[in-house]
Amino acid sequence: AQSVTQPDIHITVSEGASLELRCNYSYGATPYLFWYVQSPGQGLQLLLKYFSGDTLVQGIKGFEAEFKRSQSSFNLRKPSVHWSDAAEYFCAVLSGGYNKLIFGAGTRLAVHP
Amino acid sequence: GAVVSQHPSWVICKSGTSVKIECRSLDFQATTMFWYRQFPKQSLMLMATSNEGSKATYEQGVEKDKFLINHASLTLSTLTVTSAHPEDSSFYICSARERPGPAAELFFGEGSRLTVL
Repeated sequence: AQSVTQPDIHITVSEGASLELRCNYSYGATPYLFWYVQSPGQGLQLLLKYFSGDTLVQGIKGFEAEFKRSQSSFNLRKPSVHWSDAAEYFCAVLSGGYNKLIFGAGTRLAVHP
Repeated sequence: GAVVSQHPSWVICKSGTSVKIECRSLDFQATTMFWYRQFPKQSLMLMATSNEGSKATYEQGVEKDKFLINHASLTLSTLTVTSAHPEDSSFYICSARERPGPAAELFFGEGSRLTVL
């Protein structure tokens, strides 16, 4: 069955430091991958997505992610974290014939001043 | 970007009552809407997929008679939690897309927090 694994439940970084959030997927066909951000008590906002082509994807708010088929990974990165980046981050894959979005467990990011 | 609105954003009800949550696509016609449930500090679990004018498709383990989903128009889907109990307390989030296929972006509502006393 298709699945998404986010190994890190909680990450804390200092403001200005670099960030990498890990995501591994299990999917038999070509995956369509997404990263979403959720602020407390809010809905989800799309950061970026990968369908095909260039494996390094640029998103909003200075985020990027790299698709590595050999590692079944789609890690999210940001070179310099801002305090406003503190939130919950979800990796997701389109499943069910590319009809349903399956989410990972999420990684909660805390940013120290 | 497109806007999906949920109402109410939060609701408190007594055990045994029914609660209806609305999900509206404000500036596009949504061929498909999805309902998710999120427990505190956990991920989103897909409950059902709703296509306009047809019955919703429920995920395994989701009780159809308890979580009634209606997608009566291209801009509105409703989730009714019938005979709610404290274990139904959760954050319910809807999402909507304008057309089928992986390229169609999913837009999420702000979520509705249900507390059952």
